Amino acid sequence: NAGVTQTPKFQVLKTGQSMTLQCAQDMNHEYMSWYRQDPGMGLRLIHYSVGAGITDQGEVPNGYNVSRSTTEDFPLRLLSAAPSQTSVYFCASKGLGDTDTQYFGPGTRLTVL
Amino acid sequence: AQTVTQSQPEMSVQEAETVTLSCTYDTSESDYYLFWYKQPPSRQMILVIRQEAYKQQNATENRFSVNFQKAAKSFSLKISDSQLGDAAMYFCALRRSGTYKYIFGTGTRLKVLA
Repeated sequence: NAGVTQTPKFQVLKTGQSMTLQCAQDMNHEYMSWYRQDPGMGLRLIHYSVGAGITDQGEVPNGYNVSRSTTEDFPLRLLSAAPSQTSVYFCASKGLGDTDTQYFGPGTRLTVL
Repeated sequence: AQTVTQSQPEMSVQEAETVTLSCTYDTSESDYYLFWYKQPPSRQMILVIRQEAYKQQNATENRFSVNFQKAAKSFSLKISDSQLGDAAMYFCALRRSGTYKYIFGTGTRLKVLA
């Protein structure tokens, strides 16, 4: 069981570039989500999904797109990177039902110049 | 809008002593859940304790307990007999019942002194 995996671990982009952060889980979890973590801001929810084909916005969705074509994968797309998107990004998953134990990936540190 | 506030950026405690981490929140909902998560240096998030708002009784998990004051919208975490392994970032979080949106506070870094 690999749990939740994220690639890449580190990424540097120039303003205006696009990229996709990958997230995969092998626990057959229906719920997957993306957070960003900034100093002094805690974790903020970007987008989440409760199953293949179902996504919804979190607190800070602007500038990010997601899709969920399979249960395992939940990629996060930055359409046109901005310096304000410099952050550490975490993907998380959990089963639906009465549980709040979230399994987090190791994070991707993104710098936008 | 829902908010979660942690006013202590950093706390220290001697090994074997007790420490309390503070959290206040704001929500207009009547049915919600509150959580404390632990984030060690590995950056994995671990659920420490969960409190259902409709329950009067404070949740307890081994050395971890909460003081839930619903009217005051306060949710503090008490760690008894602190251990070196308790050193981590602790996040308070809120989720409205029936949704999957978690609102996190800014975190409190806990240092445990040997």
